[in-house]
Amino acid sequence: AQSVTQLDSHVSVSEGTPVLLRCNYSSSYSPSLFWYVQHPNKGLQLLLKYTSAATLVKGINGFEAEFKKSETSFHLTKPSAHMSDAAEYFCVVSDRSGANNLFFGTGTRLTVIP
Amino acid sequence: DTAVSQTPKYLVTQMGNDKSIKCEQNLGHDTMYWYKQDSKKFLKIMFSYNNKELIINETVPNRFSPKSPDKAHLNLHINSLELGDSAVYFCASSQGQGSDSPLHFGNGTRLTVT
Repeated sequence: AQSVTQLDSHVSVSEGTPVLLRCNYSSSYSPSLFWYVQHPNKGLQLLLKYTSAATLVKGINGFEAEFKKSETSFHLTKPSAHMSDAAEYFCVVSDRSGANNLFFGTGTRLTVIP
Repeated sequence: DTAVSQTPKYLVTQMGNDKSIKCEQNLGHDTMYWYKQDSKKFLKIMFSYNNKELIINETVPNRFSPKSPDKAHLNLHINSLELGDSAVYFCASSQGQGSDSPLHFGNGTRLTVT
């Protein structure tokens, strides 16, 4: 069975400081992992994805995530937060059974303080 | 040139009514989905269609009936609305059904049942 745990429901950082959003997963298969961002009143937008290639994945807007199988983690990072990064972030694991069945984490709200 | 568009954006209705939400994608994708996001931001898949055929049908009351007239459209009809149906409903699409296929989301329909 697949599941995702986002360890922090809310993270607050100052503008210009690093961002760390934590995600741990559980999967019976070799997983595909994604991070999506949701801005207020908008749909979810793909930030980056891991699909068994390089373990360090670079995404849009300066975000990146590292797949660590030994720790079953896929934490999202960014060296320097920008005000426009304030949003809800979802870590997602995919079921590789054949159907595109995604399991979403409960989300982490990122607040950026000017 | 919106990729995945859903209408209406807001829907307020009374218990017992029947309502529909429409979704269209112009990305040429083969697979479309409906997700429900509850008040705690938790996203759960409801249905998935591939080339107009149902491939995922999670445990959803049969008051919810998806209809896909062609692969660019997936509408959601809800009968006898209940208070618990209040949520944000997201339509999404992807190219193929594989676990590597990222989803493209619409901006959501906020349904409020009074």
